[in-house]
Amino acid sequence: GESVGLHLPTLSVQEGDNSIINCAYSNSASDYFIWYKQESGKGPQFIIDIRSNMDKRQGQRVTVLLNKTVKHLSLQIAATQPGDSAVYFCAENEMNRDDKIIFGKGTRLHILP
Amino acid sequence: EAQVTQNPRYLITVTGKKLTVTCSQNMNHEYMSWYRQDPGLGLRQIYYSMNVEVTDKGDVPEGYKVSRKEKRNFPLILESPSPNQTSLYFCATGTSDEETQYFGPGTRLLVL
Repeated sequence: GESVGLHLPTLSVQEGDNSIINCAYSNSASDYFIWYKQESGKGPQFIIDIRSNMDKRQGQRVTVLLNKTVKHLSLQIAATQPGDSAVYFCAENEMNRDDKIIFGKGTRLHILP
Repeated sequence: EAQVTQNPRYLITVTGKKLTVTCSQNMNHEYMSWYRQDPGLGLRQIYYSMNVEVTDKGDVPEGYKVSRKEKRNFPLILESPSPNQTSLYFCATGTSDEETQYFGPGTRLLVL
């Protein structure tokens, strides 16, 4: 069926290293993907997005890669900092679905000192 | 300051006692939505609204009602709350031509 999910529920990364958070989706009709960051006690915050006509998009310290062949999305965080500790959600938006966004379950990023 | 507000932030209630969680936005966004977040299940959409007087069911609408009488407000109504509605609730807003959503701070509900 149609689903968006994350490979790992928890990821531990040394401070200063790069983090890679993965996401798989199954609906090839999805044309827009978003990464959200949710810190403890707060609502999800938009980080970066990418449309299906792109393979890569860069922001400040973050990069999103989209591989449509294998329906895979990843979020790369460069030089991970303690403030990056959070749960990260990927989300997909399906074409012709009235702005309905489907969220993955989330990956918790834990930064090791 | 652009913001999405929810009230109350925390609520403990008993089964069957009607409650309303309010959501208000000052960004003039057409789109508003309610989600619940549960451990291991992530964010699931309850209801959404594309504009005033237009509402649609999300993935888990049972036990909930919404209304959109004005653009800035999108209250979530639980007519007869049950313990399985204990959850963390988020309101989100967005413009009709952007798919990015802006989330409120969340409302933690405990139904005894």
